[in-house]
Amino acid sequence: AAGVIQSPRHLIKEKRETATLKCYPIPRHDTVYWYQQGPGQDPQFLISFYEKMQSDKGSIPDRFSAQQFSDYHSELNMSSLELGDSALYFCASGRAGGEKLFFGSGTQLSVL
Amino acid sequence: GQQVMQIPQYQHVQEGEDFTTYCNSSTTLSNIQWYKQRPGGHPVFLIQLVKSGEVKKQKRLTFQFGEAKKNSSLHITATQTTDVGTYFCAGQTGTASKLTFGTGTRLQVTL
Repeated sequence: AAGVIQSPRHLIKEKRETATLKCYPIPRHDTVYWYQQGPGQDPQFLISFYEKMQSDKGSIPDRFSAQQFSDYHSELNMSSLELGDSALYFCASGRAGGEKLFFGSGTQLSVL
Repeated sequence: GQQVMQIPQYQHVQEGEDFTTYCNSSTTLSNIQWYKQRPGGHPVFLIQLVKSGEVKKQKRLTFQFGEAKKNSSLHITATQTTDVGTYFCAGQTGTASKLTFGTGTRLQVTL
């Protein structure tokens, strides 16, 4: 069965650079969520989309933006990267109605 | 904002012992979900509880949702080394709303 696909798996950037993370949800899933997880931390909600419209926003810095495209894939754009942005970024998809989320394998971002 | 706390943060048990993690939300939830994350892995859905006082079982795992829909617990009977990982509860306050993760309980099981 198809799973949530995230790319790239690993990304190394320098301070003040930009990064784009991509997420391809499971087909026919209408919600996409982005989470940030630091080492030993719980996943922190960043932003979510329902049917390509932003549905909820969490602790996402103004330097970050995200969108969901017509083919339902989503991108998280991160600018002016800081050392503290180093983390594992997960994308998850699901169906609206409170059902379970399926997580991708994540993108490990390292900012040097 | 909504906060979801879990205790304990960490538990180390010997194989065969029982394990329980408790989850408390600062706000009333519409549903609570439980996820397991293995070291180096991603969260994997275990179960969802929706009704007040609901109890669900999956083999050696028992999940409860409190009457006030603000707390939950996960109990594992006779732990095995395959149970190693971090267990997160995650709550929603409405359908299609954000899923707020708890602080997690890391379980270590040794022979």
